Amino acid sequence: EAQVTQNPRYLITVTGKKLTVTCSQNMNHEYMSWYRQDPGLGLRQIYYSMNVEVTDKGDVPEGYKVSRKEKRNFPLILESPSPNQTSLYFCASSPRPRVIGNQPQHFGDGTRLSIL
Amino acid sequence: GQQLNQSPQSMFIQEGEDVSMNCTSSSIFNTWLWYKQDPGEGPVLLIALYKAGELTSNGRLTAQFGITRKDSFLNISASIPSDVGIYFCAGLRWDSNYQLIWGAGTKLIIKP
Repeated sequence: EAQVTQNPRYLITVTGKKLTVTCSQNMNHEYMSWYRQDPGLGLRQIYYSMNVEVTDKGDVPEGYKVSRKEKRNFPLILESPSPNQTSLYFCASSPRPRVIGNQPQHFGDGTRLSIL
Repeated sequence: GQQLNQSPQSMFIQEGEDVSMNCTSSSIFNTWLWYKQDPGEGPVLLIALYKAGELTSNGRLTAQFGITRKDSFLNISASIPSDVGIYFCAGLRWDSNYQLIWGAGTKLIIKP
């Protein structure tokens, strides 16, 4: 089954304790991205990756890092989490950066992070 | 960062009613997308629009790409309980490194 898998689904942690949210897709997609979703703000892109070893900042990259060592994985790293990073995070992938025909972005089910 | 203006923020409707929501921007977009998000899940693409003036349907859903390329609307006809959720518009500009710009969402609630 084609899917984007995020882990963990939920995490409560404390300020400053490094954490990593993993994202894996089994569709051989080139393009992957991370979003955060906050009430009233919709989805805001954190980082994206056009292909292996190619990553770029989105709208809200501060406080986050990513890596794309393999095509299927795109982990999101919070080196020193702070309470303002409490949010719902989504990973997404698509075959190409540009949506063509019926090749939409596939989203994971989300990771709810609470930073105390 | 830039964001699309999506309205209304929320809608309370009766089952069977038609629903209309829209997104506007001061910038031109090359592609407009409409997504639906159910509780506890990620957004799922409903309709994609690629040309100014394009009108596309997906079952009871109809969406249009505005002539000016700065807006789009989504209509849902004869709403049913499973239409409940948050609807997002998103715009794509080819000169912005293929980044999707998102609206803040329209929460659809159906009154019992």
